[in-house]
Amino acid sequence: DQQVKQNSPSLSVQEGRISILNCDYTNSMFDYFLWYKKYPAEGPTFLISISSIKDKNEDGRFTVFLNKSAKHLSLHIVPSQPGDSAVYFCAASAAGNQFYFGTGTSLTVIP
Amino acid sequence: NAGVTQTPKFQVLKTGQSMTLQCAQDMNHNSMYWYRQDPGMGLRLIYYSASEGTTDKGEVPNGYNVSRLNKREFSLRLESAAPSQTSVYFCASSDQDRGWYGYTFGSGTRLTVV
Repeated sequence: DQQVKQNSPSLSVQEGRISILNCDYTNSMFDYFLWYKKYPAEGPTFLISISSIKDKNEDGRFTVFLNKSAKHLSLHIVPSQPGDSAVYFCAASAAGNQFYFGTGTSLTVIP
Repeated sequence: NAGVTQTPKFQVLKTGQSMTLQCAQDMNHNSMYWYRQDPGMGLRLIYYSASEGTTDKGEVPNGYNVSRLNKREFSLRLESAAPSQTSVYFCASSDQDRGWYGYTFGSGTRLTVV
């Protein structure tokens, strides 16, 4: 059973607007979360992380929000740029053990 | 600065053939991983090696074997390939001892079993 879910397979956003990518998880033991970005024919690259002791982490245009009670995290990209067009994976881990990945959301930023 | 290198990039196998996917990292990371990516399934862990000399099963280990040859190299072997093993395979490494910086992934091996 999928422990990490990304229910939106795809998302299209106009350049300059906000992109919001969502991720839900089922395991309450998860305490560390990552977002990865993947371009075609490349491996995923680490984007941003958040631990369960925080509810927000920012890095430039990227912000990750964690709602532990809802078992939900989201990635906000502001402003969105065409180069952000990629597949985004969220991943979760309990106590530094193996990471479980979501199925990915394909983001298209329209110029 | 190569990071994680996977070979080959593409491979076509016939059902029942065997092959080994190679992975090497030059970042002195302790931990290495093999994932497979399938449409609608995300990335699923096949095997991992927390340190040189140890290997453990992940979510989907059946049909695979691994070898942690040394600190740099972690190979994945398919002894008798099946069409269900058609997938994109990613190797990754990490060094949790230095704080969490996430995994570094290779560029993948696209395997087709016919």
